[in-house]
Amino acid sequence: DAGVIQSPRHEVTEMGQEVTLRCKPISGHDYLFWYRQTMMRGLELLIYFNNNVPIDDSGMPEDRFSAKMPNASFSTLKIQPSEPRDSAVYFCASSPGRVGEAFFGQGTRLTVV
Amino acid sequence: GESVGLHLPTLSVQEGDNSIINCAYSNSASDYFIWYKQESGKGPQFIIDIRSNMDKRQGQRVTVLLNKTVKHLSLQIAATQPGDSAVYFCAENGISGGYNKLIFGAGTRLAVHP
Repeated sequence: DAGVIQSPRHEVTEMGQEVTLRCKPISGHDYLFWYRQTMMRGLELLIYFNNNVPIDDSGMPEDRFSAKMPNASFSTLKIQPSEPRDSAVYFCASSPGRVGEAFFGQGTRLTVV
Repeated sequence: GESVGLHLPTLSVQEGDNSIINCAYSNSASDYFIWYKQESGKGPQFIIDIRSNMDKRQGQRVTVLLNKTVKHLSLQIAATQPGDSAVYFCAENGISGGYNKLIFGAGTRLAVHP
């Protein structure tokens, strides 16, 4: 398996634009997580899914952020409109069970100017 | 490569020495803990895990110790090598509504000097 695949690796956008980050989890993993990593806050859990259903979105910072998982092999994290303070590295991770390690993708570095 | 440039506590060690990285966790109900390593430009990678019914677990060159009384976790790396230089995170498996939810600590940067 190729592991968790995220795209794009880098994204530079202007303030106010819509940004969509994409993730393909490892096949067979029931859990999918979106994390954000910043200098100030470290690794923050934004939202996670179990069997494509959002379970906990309490980490999503604002209504500008939304996440979907239309099927077991694909998830998106959308920011609309984007702001400079959204600049961060966004990681997607997947996990095979209720208790266990999460496998991380390479991340998407988002820069909003 | 990508680097978040976190302002983290740093542990500096000489190559060949042993390293000990500490972590305090928050939830006494957490039943599973993981140590992750993050190299520059990469996502966190699994190192070793431990369940709450154990107080010690050993891997290759790494040992994790769990003290539930004081909610403390440590990672010991034997004979530290330059390739061990990275940011290390502990994560606890907090249960949210019966589901898996990994919560990460702030991280410690390990710098290995020749």
